[in-house]
Amino acid sequence: ELKVEQNPLFLSMQEGKNYTIYCNYSTTSDRLYWYRQDPGKSLESLFVLLSNGAVKQEGRLMASLDTKARLSTLHITAAVHDLSATYFCAVIGGGADGLTFGKGTHLIIQP
Amino acid sequence: DVKVTQSSRYLVKRTGEKVFLECVQDMDHENMFWYRQDPGLGLRLIYFSYDVKMKEKGDIPEGYSVSREKKERFSLILESASTNQTSMYLCASSRLTSRSSNEQFFGPGTRLTVL
Repeated sequence: ELKVEQNPLFLSMQEGKNYTIYCNYSTTSDRLYWYRQDPGKSLESLFVLLSNGAVKQEGRLMASLDTKARLSTLHITAAVHDLSATYFCAVIGGGADGLTFGKGTHLIIQP
Repeated sequence: DVKVTQSSRYLVKRTGEKVFLECVQDMDHENMFWYRQDPGLGLRLIYFSYDVKMKEKGDIPEGYSVSREKKERFSLILESASTNQTSMYLCASSRLTSRSSNEQFFGPGTRLTVL
């Protein structure tokens, strides 16, 4: 059974600081996805990582994938309040093309 | 721009009622999915479909069924709603894996309360 673990599950940080969210998964997969969810809203796709060593960046967020270690990271650089949200990683494996999600990291960035 | 719509944002039903949740996508995607989201549990896959009239069970199919009569529409059915089915339900769609990154696009969600 595929398991996806994120840590931390809750993170409170100050603006301007850097931090990393970790996503570990239990079985082989070469596709990993990061989503953002604002309170009361649906999921917004952030990054799609399709191969070992893939790195993608968008603004202050950077995601990477190490398929050998079964690990993805989401790095936040110089955090700003607008990045406050819940971030999910997900891996293909919940039945064919279905996704298995981590429990999410609730991120609060304080001024 | 991919658009996935769901028939209701909020729904309140009584125990034992039959409930239909509708999802429509406008990008000609082959795959469609139903997830439920609960605090502390994240999102869990209920059912998915890779073609018209085709369906596959996800991780938590018990108490649910689905229908896909047209490519753009995927319905989730609660035959006899129970209070433990109170949840946020999210629909998603994607292209077939072999043709794309398989990125899934989500609808706005339906918050269902069963009394």
